[in-house]
Amino acid sequence: GAGVSQTPSNKVTEKGKYVELRCDPISGHTALYWYRQSLGQGPEFLIYFQGTGAADDSGLPNDRFFAVRPEGSVSTLKIQRTERGDSAVYLCASLKKIDRPPSETEAFFGQGTRLTVV
Amino acid sequence: QKEVEQNSGPLSVPEGAIASLNCTYSDRGSQSFFWYRQYSGKSPELIMSIYSNGDKEDGRFTAQLNKASQYVSLLIRDSQPSDSATYLCAVNIGSGGYNKLIFGAGTRLAVHP
Repeated sequence: GAGVSQTPSNKVTEKGKYVELRCDPISGHTALYWYRQSLGQGPEFLIYFQGTGAADDSGLPNDRFFAVRPEGSVSTLKIQRTERGDSAVYLCASLKKIDRPPSETEAFFGQGTRLTVV
Repeated sequence: QKEVEQNSGPLSVPEGAIASLNCTYSDRGSQSFFWYRQYSGKSPELIMSIYSNGDKEDGRFTAQLNKASQYVSLLIRDSQPSDSATYLCAVNIGSGGYNKLIFGAGTRLAVHP
């Protein structure tokens, strides 16, 4: 597609429920990031994929959060037993190119999924 | 110490003035630096990237990088009310092809007529 697509754009769920957030990156982009952004804060790094594998998942807050990218394209962020504190905008970004730095590694963002846990 | 630090603002400048936004980072090995603009309720959009020490100009925007001081800045000349937004500094932490893109908290810019 022309840009990074995230679905759904809004998700309201009850505390304790399971949710999945989807990211469809720009075609041909090999790297993909997930971020979480709360009001008034910068994007908080969650996980970074290079191809199918998670190159760095150090930002996942706890074991309720998990992300996959089985075919190296679409990624799904999964949150189990949601809590009110999980409410935020979840952003996905894909990278134009990964190479030995310095290089063109601009990240392009989707419109985000606003998750509200009630 | 946070990996990427910015003053939260708000930075208020009159229309037509120069807005100066600053950012410091902690990883001395970082080599790629970015400025994103984020309007309220929207996702971040890339406005500048810089990889080498010195200045890089693009229209009304100039990015400045000083790796020795671990400092990157963004100047916006002839500021317009439409420039009012949050400006996010982002740094690629890592080397050897590995990239972990870390953002600062952002500086809110308000350009008043």
